[in-house]
Amino acid sequence: KAGVTQTPRYLIKTRGQQVTLSCSPISGHRSVSWYQQTPGQGLQFLFEYFSETQRNKGNFPGRFSGRQFSNSRSEMNVSTLELGDSALYLCASSLGQATPGGYTFGSGTRLTVV
Amino acid sequence: LAKTTQPISMDSYEGQEVNITCSHNNIATNDYITWYQQFPSQGPRFIIQGYKTKVTNEVASLFIPADRKSSTLSLPRVSLSDTAVYYCLVGGHGSSNTGKLIFGQGTTLQVKP
Repeated sequence: KAGVTQTPRYLIKTRGQQVTLSCSPISGHRSVSWYQQTPGQGLQFLFEYFSETQRNKGNFPGRFSGRQFSNSRSEMNVSTLELGDSALYLCASSLGQATPGGYTFGSGTRLTVV
Repeated sequence: LAKTTQPISMDSYEGQEVNITCSHNNIATNDYITWYQQFPSQGPRFIIQGYKTKVTNEVASLFIPADRKSSTLSLPRVSLSDTAVYYCLVGGHGSSNTGKLIFGQGTTLQVKP
């Protein structure tokens, strides 16, 4: 079966711009979580959506937002980009009430802010 | 969620068995112990998960002592392609943390020829 698909794979943006990243989960998975990975902070949880509702949220500023559509596809948006937002953004899908081993990650979107 | 502690890095040679130990002193009764592998510029990939004693699959074994305060991931006969970062996580189904996995620093395994 198809895995988790993230688009685009690479992105270069300028400070102050906004960006939208997309994540298509595994068919049948209704939960999508987003993570930011940087060399300094490691993997950090951004938020999780289930059935179009945000169920959980990490400690990121309001510039980071997301949404989920009825087909479970999810998007995350970062507004007013800062240099520090340069990172690998990963999404993971699961059935919704998963143990930690029940998550499948995509390959990520590498965002570079210049 | 329980905090985990694992070595920052390890070196090994091809064909050797590698054991990576993780400490999780505050593990809760309903927590599972889970290991993920991550290659550069890719998302983490699930390796193995267990609750107690020993679990084995086609790629690894997971040893969990009776007190569950630590665990050991065992990779048999590693190859160069096993060079990656390995993360140990603990957690359960808890509704207050849905979708949220807590990743520590991980262990960078370098396999040499």
